Amino acid sequence: AQKITQTQPGMFVQEKEAVTLDCTYDTSDPSYGLFWYKQPSSGEMIFLIYQGSYDQQNATEGRYSLNFQKARKSANLVISASQLGDSAMYFCATQNPIQGAQKLVFGQGTRLTINP
Amino acid sequence: DSGVTQTPKHLITATGQRVTLRCSPRSGDLSVYWYQQSLDQGLQFLIQYYNGEERAKGNILERFSAQQFPDLHSELNLSSLELGDSALYFCASSVGGAETYEQYFGPGTRLTVT
Repeated sequence: AQKITQTQPGMFVQEKEAVTLDCTYDTSDPSYGLFWYKQPSSGEMIFLIYQGSYDQQNATEGRYSLNFQKARKSANLVISASQLGDSAMYFCATQNPIQGAQKLVFGQGTRLTINP
Repeated sequence: DSGVTQTPKHLITATGQRVTLRCSPRSGDLSVYWYQQSLDQGLQFLIQYYNGEERAKGNILERFSAQQFPDLHSELNLSSLELGDSALYFCASSVGGAETYEQYFGPGTRLTVT
């Protein structure tokens, strides 16, 4: 069974600093996807970044990058130059497509607070 | 704006009642997913439909059912509601198919059972 572990329940960071949110995953399937989502206090789930298990390079999307270490089963999210608007819950998720079933399995989340 | 719409945004109802949550996927997406977010269970997958057919089932209670219609919108029906069913219910959509795809979430329906 797939499992995602996010060991940091909460993080506090100064504005403009870089921040790394930890995520480890457990899957025995060779093909899988790793995702990060942001959930602000308003409640919506915002897709941030995706990494495929066969991708050779780490994914990047603007200020977001995914530090993918396959051997360690780690998929940490790095946010560069943090902003006040980055304060939110962040969820790591994995997806193992089996016979077209593509459910996301989420971790418990990390609450990030950016201090001015 | 993800392009996924959900109605209603908020729903308050009593125990024992039945409600229907509605979702319209992004244009072109064939897969619809339903998730439940509660304080004690976190984000849990309920069910996936692909082009009108059920594709995968998660921890969905027997009191809950869903369907996807020919126009690809989906409805989640919750019956015999209990206090513990109070949660944020998300619909998400993706292109679907056999590979990994990002899912785009709607704004959610916050259900409160009193």
